Amino acid sequence: KAGVTQTPRYLIKTRGQQVTLSCSPISGHRSVSWYQQTPGQGLQFLFEYFSETQRNKGNFPGRFSGRQFSNSRSEMNVSTLELGDSALYLCASSLVIGGMGYNEQFFGPGTRLTVL
Amino acid sequence: AQSVAQPEDQVNVAEGNPLTVKCTYSVSGNPYLFWYVQYPNRGLQFLLKYITGDNLVKGSYGFEAEFNKSQTSFHLKKPSALVSDSALYFCAVRSYIPTFGRGTSLIVHP
Repeated sequence: KAGVTQTPRYLIKTRGQQVTLSCSPISGHRSVSWYQQTPGQGLQFLFEYFSETQRNKGNFPGRFSGRQFSNSRSEMNVSTLELGDSALYLCASSLVIGGMGYNEQFFGPGTRLTVL
Repeated sequence: AQSVAQPEDQVNVAEGNPLTVKCTYSVSGNPYLFWYVQYPNRGLQFLLKYITGDNLVKGSYGFEAEFNKSQTSFHLKKPSALVSDSALYFCAVRSYIPTFGRGTSLIVHP
């Protein structure tokens, strides 16, 4: 079974631009979460989607948004990029049983975003 | 608010010796606890989880973790470390949203 895939793997943008990252979950997984990983802040939860609906959201500004499609694939968008948005963005999928999302997550390799 | 603390930024151990990576948590209600490992330039890989049941949880690659409710801890252990275990280890707790610790770098010396 194929793992979680993320595209692109690397991105370089300049301040003020916007960016869209894509994530394809493991087949059959309906929950997709996004994380930002930086050396200073560690791994921080951005948001989680299940059945095309945002279920939970972390403490990030509105510039960070996401969506999920009917095939469970997900995208996240960051508008008006700032230097501090440079990070590794990780996507994770999980199997949701009985509506409970407390199962282990399977992570993709990440998208390395550099903002200049 | 829930939180996870990994008090050691780095743990050094000799190959063949037992290893422990510490994790304490704070969460209201029953905790759902996880350990993940991250190798360089790769995403996180699931190691093990505690949802309910036995306090000693066995996971992948010979790792295990002990859930201690009174001490609110979930330390990761392995009886005999391998050089290939060298990586970044994350403890996580899940109730409303997932919260990860800042990670502990495990270095196993030959």
